[in-house]
Amino acid sequence: RKEVEQDPGPFNVPEGATVAFNCTYSNSASQSFFWYRQDCRKEPKLLMSVYSSGNEDGRFTAQLNRASQYISLLIRDSKLSDSATYLCVVNMDGGSQGNLIFGKGTKLSVKP
Amino acid sequence: EPEVTQTPSHQVTQMGQEVILRCVPISNHLYFYWYRQILGQKVEFLVSFYNNEISEKSEIFDDQFSVERPDGSNFTLKIRSTKLEDSAMYFCASSAGTAPVYEQYFGPGTRLTVT
Repeated sequence: RKEVEQDPGPFNVPEGATVAFNCTYSNSASQSFFWYRQDCRKEPKLLMSVYSSGNEDGRFTAQLNRASQYISLLIRDSKLSDSATYLCVVNMDGGSQGNLIFGKGTKLSVKP
Repeated sequence: EPEVTQTPSHQVTQMGQEVILRCVPISNHLYFYWYRQILGQKVEFLVSFYNNEISEKSEIFDDQFSVERPDGSNFTLKIRSTKLEDSAMYFCASSAGTAPVYEQYFGPGTRLTVT
């Protein structure tokens, strides 16, 4: 069965903290990897794609370990506005015609 | 910035009725998708659509569901005879279909409530 598993959370952190989320996926043939964020009752918004070499976008760093089938997201200097549910998402089949498999998400709450 | 749009934002219908959910994908995108999210659960894939035909569909997408691209801009999801368990948020997504990562962008969703 194709699955994406995430830390259950919730993560409650103070402003300025560094927080890390982890995710594992079951299908070793998976091609594309993403982190989305979802605010309450809103749509998933693409946060970043995850590349084999790892990538960074401002305060956000994503890592991919294909051998361990493991993806991570690091958020540095947390802001109140980072409070959301973070979804680990994998395109199992590759290509545009492949569907996205979502994890259940990890809820982050950043407190003043 | 181009966005996926969806209408209506909320649809209430009685069990057994037909509903059509509408989406306008990002204009230069070629690949279209429907997903659903039951309250409190994870987002689930329903169907993908390319070149005027279904590319892939999930087990959820049974004979009660259909999709159509009636013109150059709209992409619709029809549920023929709604059931209580169809109550969910339905998200449309689109992708430009460019390698290497084929990013999908989601619309704001239609909340379907079946009574």
